[in-house]
Amino acid sequence: SAVISQKPSRDICQRGTSLTIQCQVDSQVTMMFWYRQQPGQSLTLIATANQGSEATYESGFVIDKFPISRPNLTFSTLTVSNMSPEDSSIYLCSVALPGGGGGYTFGSGTRLTVV
Amino acid sequence: GESVGLHLPTLSVQEGDNSIINCAYSNSASDYFIWYKQESGKGPQFIIDIRSNMDKRQGQRVTVLLNKTVKHLSLQIAATQPGDSAVYFCAENRGSGNTPLVFGKGTRLSVIA
Repeated sequence: SAVISQKPSRDICQRGTSLTIQCQVDSQVTMMFWYRQQPGQSLTLIATANQGSEATYESGFVIDKFPISRPNLTFSTLTVSNMSPEDSSIYLCSVALPGGGGGYTFGSGTRLTVV
Repeated sequence: GESVGLHLPTLSVQEGDNSIINCAYSNSASDYFIWYKQESGKGPQFIIDIRSNMDKRQGQRVTVLLNKTVKHLSLQIAATQPGDSAVYFCAENRGSGNTPLVFGKGTRLSVIA
């Protein structure tokens, strides 16, 4: 199974600033997925990142607020821009295991607190 | 630290008893389903999966049941242990591994020793 290294694991940020979250996968994957998990909630998909093309965003999420990079098949970043306290959440990246099926692997998450 | 699942429904089970966690999914076209376990401060961990051409699948101490007629999924944990205490999510997917998972609301399992 794929192993994802996600960092930072947590951060406390001032409102109005930006934070970039990184995910490194130990194997090449076509798609990477970014999720947000607000306190006490389930996971909500932010966007799907395909290498070599612009990310596809879900309703309620826009590129200006959550720009995503996907420079190669093993790496992606999500930036949370111009942060406000409402952005305080856990952010997670995920990949589908190569070959399809067999589950999706998640990073350990980034716990963001905006003050 | 902050705990995931503060506002989620909670299931309390005595250690050694069996646990049943239920999930209703929304998309009748979904053909792949996964149960995840999430402990505080960690990302979701894969437990077991099932495809829509099956009704039941068993793993070690866990069984997943799928009822496509009523779009219902359940996770059964046998002989529940304190280490099983966590938040459990069901997730559904339609299509290949290039499509994202859609997560259910989650249930917090609390094991009473």
